[in-house]
Amino acid sequence: QSALTQPASVSGSPGQSITISCTGTSSDVGRYKYVSWYQQHPGRAPQLIIYEVNVRPSGVSNRFSGSKSGNTASLTISGLQAEDEADYYCSSYTISATVVFGGGTKLTVL
Amino acid sequence: EVQLVGSGGGLVQPGGSLRLSCEASGFTFSDQYMDWVRQAPGKGLEWVGRIRNKANSYSTVYAASVKGRFTISRDDSKKSLYLQMNSLKTEDTAVYYCARDTQAAAFDIWGQGTMVTVSP
Repeated sequence: QSALTQPASVSGSPGQSITISCTGTSSDVGRYKYVSWYQQHPGRAPQLIIYEVNVRPSGVSNRFSGSKSGNTASLTISGLQAEDEADYYCSSYTISATVVFGGGTKLTVL
Repeated sequence: EVQLVGSGGGLVQPGGSLRLSCEASGFTFSDQYMDWVRQAPGKGLEWVGRIRNKANSYSTVYAASVKGRFTISRDDSKKSLYLQMNSLKTEDTAVYYCARDTQAAAFDIWGQGTMVTVSP
């Protein structure tokens, strides 16, 4: 199972919006609604910020939103803040009942 | 407080074995699916495997990279999850996280991570 494809890095200025893409195949992202997104700050464990494509866990800011079209899922962060600077990972359930992660995207807030 | 606390990491030689543990608190452990996820130094996240709950026969699924070498088990009476790692390779060097699985393949609670180093 190959990793999902994410851009290695994205950047934006405070207050702006950015979108991170996550491309898979018809055996994972395109097949299931079970796409999740995680935020990871250096030296910390990942934190779930989106599950089932577009659902935010309790306590996660509504500046984070998710969507999916075909084999590509997307995470949008609006009103960028300095604290959003982190690594972001997507993941998907697969046809083999496994889970596959994306390679990760480093977000820089300029 | 809902938390997972991992332990058991360390330095091991190639070909060796190691057993990681993860103790849960603050939630009904026995109802949950539980997973292991690892992260090599400076690299991304890699899913290792999952164990389902008693209602689903404690069935397990593994990533191809560890299948046949790693075994996930649990002891619901001790609220504990385990990862038995055999025939370790240098490429297994990583921080290993235990995580609670929402059954939607989303991991909402993570342990603090435990480092495993496989080196001669």
